[in-house]
Amino acid sequence: KNEVEQSPQNLTAQEGEFITINCSYSVGISALHWLQQHPGGGIVSLFMLSSGKKKHGRLIATINIQEKHSSLHITASHPRDSAVYICAADSGGGADGLTFGKGTHLIIQP
Amino acid sequence: EPEVTQTPSHQVTQMGQEVILRCVPISNHLYFYWYRQILGQKVEFLVSFYNNEISEKSEIFDDQFSVERPDGSNFTLKIRSTKLEDSAMYFCASNLQGAISEAFFGQGTRLTVV
Repeated sequence: KNEVEQSPQNLTAQEGEFITINCSYSVGISALHWLQQHPGGGIVSLFMLSSGKKKHGRLIATINIQEKHSSLHITASHPRDSAVYICAADSGGGADGLTFGKGTHLIIQP
Repeated sequence: EPEVTQTPSHQVTQMGQEVILRCVPISNHLYFYWYRQILGQKVEFLVSFYNNEISEKSEIFDDQFSVERPDGSNFTLKIRSTKLEDSAMYFCASNLQGAISEAFFGQGTRLTVV
């Protein structure tokens, strides 16, 4: 069974700062998902990656398959980025569903 | 943009009652999932569904739970004889191809068992 760990659990930063959230997993995966959860509870997919790096606007996600580690970066952070960021591992052929980390609660102060 | 829709957004039920949570996945998706998030805890996998049958289920998904795709659009989660500990946010998700496929989540149904 895959164990997914995230750090930090909580992060408070000032607007404009560069943010890094880390995720590690214990078992080889087919894909790693980064998700965003807002206070209302809804979950939005940010990235799905199985190798290398992806960029979308101010968000960048990287993954190192050999080290079983992924990072999510936010450049020029803004208060609207405040949310819970969750990494989730897909360990199998899709039928097993995702294994979620506990999430990182990010607060960006103006 | 296509989206997964869930109804109701919030359901309050008495302990011992049956509830049905409803989901409409994205129309061309083939894999469907239910997840649960107890307040303050991480999201947990309940069950996956493909080709009109359960593909995998977790240890949480015991005999009180069942899933159904009664027609070409709806995907339901039924909880028989609800318990207090079933109180949670329930998320439906779907994707096109299973593995290595972006996951689309509904907004969730907050179930409160009293």
